[in-house]
Amino acid sequence: GDSVTQKEGLVTLTEGLPVMLNCTYQTIYSNAFLFWYVHYLNESPRLLLKSSTDNKRTEHQGFHATLHKSSSSFHLQKSSAQLSDSALYYCALSGVNTGNYKYVFGAGTRLKVIA
Amino acid sequence: GPKVLQIPSHQIIDMGQMVTLNCDPVSNHLYFYWYKQILGQQMEFLVNFYNGKVMEKSKLFKDQFSVERPDGSYFTLKIQPTALEDSAVYFCASSLAKDRGHTGQLYFGEGSKLTVL
Repeated sequence: GDSVTQKEGLVTLTEGLPVMLNCTYQTIYSNAFLFWYVHYLNESPRLLLKSSTDNKRTEHQGFHATLHKSSSSFHLQKSSAQLSDSALYYCALSGVNTGNYKYVFGAGTRLKVIA
Repeated sequence: GPKVLQIPSHQIIDMGQMVTLNCDPVSNHLYFYWYKQILGQQMEFLVNFYNGKVMEKSKLFKDQFSVERPDGSYFTLKIQPTALEDSAVYFCASSLAKDRGHTGQLYFGEGSKLTVL
């Protein structure tokens, strides 16, 4: 079946260091979309990045990710972590099968940025 | 941007009672979802809903759970009867899916925190 793996449950970084949150996936969908959602405490999860194009870098709010279908990966990166980046980050996969738009979320990675 | 509204934001009830969580999705969206997040844990899929029908549900969607969207009004999650393990934050989400490929973004509400005593 379809699955998304985020191996790190918690990543703690010092402000200013680069961020890399790992995401790998398995899917039967030939045209799957991959997403990163960010969830700040007491807010609703919101979209950070999305992509369905192989080997194309997508960027938003200082974060970037490149979908690599050959390695089934969509890692989230940022050159320099800020305290305000502390949040829960979900990698997600979506696709359509027999008319059902299905979303599969990873377990989430909590990013904690310290001064 | 588009907003998904959830009512109530917080509800405390006694075990065994019924609860209905309401979701007002983005107006032109077609697909609706409920997710459950127990404190400190990941968000987990419960159910999705399209054209008046449940499309898919997870193992967490127990027989005591039901969803509906009567006459295009609120998309509701009803739990009857509630159990202690139902205590969680429930997130509603909606998306506009197109027939040919989809941009697929989910829009989430801020969650309804349910406390079962």
